[in-house]
Amino acid sequence: GDSVTQMEGPVTLSEEAFLTINCTYTATGYPSLFWYVQYPGEGLQLLLKATKADDKGSNKGFEATYRKETTSFHLEKGSVQVSDSAVYFCALIRGRGSTLGRLYFGRGTQLTVWP
Amino acid sequence: ETGVTQSPTHLIKTRGQQVTLRCSSQSGHNTVSWYQQALGQGPQFIFQYYREEENGRGNFPPRFSGLQFPNYSSELNVNALELDDSALYLCASSPKTGADTQYFGPGTRLTVL
Repeated sequence: GDSVTQMEGPVTLSEEAFLTINCTYTATGYPSLFWYVQYPGEGLQLLLKATKADDKGSNKGFEATYRKETTSFHLEKGSVQVSDSAVYFCALIRGRGSTLGRLYFGRGTQLTVWP
Repeated sequence: ETGVTQSPTHLIKTRGQQVTLRCSSQSGHNTVSWYQQALGQGPQFIFQYYREEENGRGNFPPRFSGLQFPNYSSELNVNALELDDSALYLCASSPKTGADTQYFGPGTRLTVL
């Protein structure tokens, strides 16, 4: 079945460090891929998305590229800030031909950035 | 444009009780999905409603039920609460069903004692 695997956390970085959070997926068809962020005590916010192979999603300095050949969607940011501290979730939704928009989430990766 | 709203914010119930959680979808969105997020886990899909009909269900027992109203707002009902039902319940809306971006509300934190 469809699933998402994220790198285990927590991840602790100093401000201005480079961030990578790995995400791989298993899915039938052509899924759309997402990164959501959850700040303490809050719901999920969409960070970025990509809907087809080789698409790059980007937002707030974060980027992720849809790699069909490696079934991956790794999240990167060149210089993290303290305000980026949150839990990051990789997710997929089945693509073409599906009438059910069910999101499959990874377990989440806790990021803590120190000043 | 108003985003997705949920009520209440927090709720404490005892085992065996029943609970109703509410969600107002974002303006123009006709599809609502509900997710359960246990502590330290990713959200798990409960079910989805599209134009007042259930449009798919995850691996949750029948004591989890829902409704969608003509204005596309939605309710999640849980009967015979168990301790393991303690979680953050998230509602998400989208402009249509299928492979489309879902926008989440802030969630309802349910604690079952």
